[in-house]
Amino acid sequence: EAGVAQSPRYKIIEKRQSVAFWCNPISGHATLYWYQQILGQGPKLLIQFQNNGVVDDSQLPKDRFSAERLKGVDSTLKIQPAKLEDSAVYLCASSLRLAEETQYFGPGTRLLVL
Amino acid sequence: AQSVTQLDSHVSVSEGTPVLLRCNYSSSYSPSLFWYVQHPNKGLQLLLKYTSAATLVKGINGFEAEFKKSETSFHLTKPSAHMSDAAEYFCVVSDPRTSGTYKYIFGTGTRLKVLA
Repeated sequence: EAGVAQSPRYKIIEKRQSVAFWCNPISGHATLYWYQQILGQGPKLLIQFQNNGVVDDSQLPKDRFSAERLKGVDSTLKIQPAKLEDSAVYLCASSLRLAEETQYFGPGTRLLVL
Repeated sequence: AQSVTQLDSHVSVSEGTPVLLRCNYSSSYSPSLFWYVQHPNKGLQLLLKYTSAATLVKGINGFEAEFKKSETSFHLTKPSAHMSDAAEYFCVVSDPRTSGTYKYIFGTGTRLKVLA
């Protein structure tokens, strides 16, 4: 069974530029999560989808971050414009269904904002 | 509110010696608890999970953890460390919400160093 796929793996941009990350969850997984992991810290949930609907985006900085999961499968997370403090690893995870506790994580996208 | 505390930010052991990574939790429910490992430049890999079945949980790569309600602990152990165990380890509690979903509450992580 293929795991959670993410791309790109690394991205370097200058502040005020925009960037987008892509995630493909495990096949059949209805719930998808985006996390931000700043160096030396545990992951922080940004947004959670159930199919193509948002369940929780309370921690998403909506003035600059956006995310979508239009067909209930792949998802994209966008930052526009990026700030220096957005430098982090962005992790995507999926779980089988809304009430499933176990999450499976992708390899992450490491973003550096200069 | 549920929370987890990882008591050590760094642990160093010699190869072949036992590993103990400590985690305490706070929960008003009967919690589900997880241990994840993160190798450098990699995502999080599930090591094991406790979901109110057997209190001693066996995971991958020889790791196990014991749920102790009286001590509110879920410590991770391995009898003999291997060089490949060097990584960051996260203790996680799953927080049920009224929407029927679960939110992961992460500890701050423990970096394990294995000395040759």
